[in-house]
Amino acid sequence: GAGVSQSPSNKVTEKGKDVELRCDPISGHTALYWYRQRLGQGLEFLIYFQGNSAPDKSGLPSDRFSAERTGESVSTLTIQRTQQEDSAVYLCASSRRDTGKLFFGSGTQLSVL
Amino acid sequence: KQEVTQIPAALSVPEGENLVLNCSFTDSAIYNLQWFRQDPGKGLTSLLLIQSSQREQTSGRLNASLDKSSGRSTLYIAASQPGDSATYLCAVPPGTSGSRLTFGEGTQLTVNP
Repeated sequence: GAGVSQSPSNKVTEKGKDVELRCDPISGHTALYWYRQRLGQGLEFLIYFQGNSAPDKSGLPSDRFSAERTGESVSTLTIQRTQQEDSAVYLCASSRRDTGKLFFGSGTQLSVL
Repeated sequence: KQEVTQIPAALSVPEGENLVLNCSFTDSAIYNLQWFRQDPGKGLTSLLLIQSSQREQTSGRLNASLDKSSGRSTLYIAASQPGDSATYLCAVPPGTSGSRLTFGEGTQLTVNP
């Protein structure tokens, strides 16, 4: 596709359930980022992938959060045993290595009841 | 640790006014600086990217400047329009790495007709 695609656009889940969020980056973009944005707050870095290098996981808030990416393709962010404080918009972005210009998806609005 | 501050937090101006948004960062060893806009309920759209070797970038009515030595960037919007109403964010990576972009909290701009 022409842009970064995220799915689902909205997800409502019950506390304690696991959720999986998907990001399909722009073709040819080696870098992929996940950010979280709580209501009325700024962007919180979660994880960064660059090609086949080891990901920068330093922003993951707890061991309930994990993310995978195979090569330069789709990434999935998994949240286990969701809590109400996980409710937020989860944003994915990708970029080319040479320019570093980020392109964001529209995000997944996660609501944990 | 890189910290990014944006001033003002909110700004309301009449249509047609020229305005300046400010961004400051604590670690001047940056690779580039990006300005984004975010519309309510949507992802971020990249506006301008300034490489560390550049002093400014222009796109239409937007002009972004970068002064690494003082840790500052400004986004100048000429002849503002109601369609410019959005939240504007600046973001910087650490040093020469493209990882872990740090975002400011944003300036919420309202342009009144």
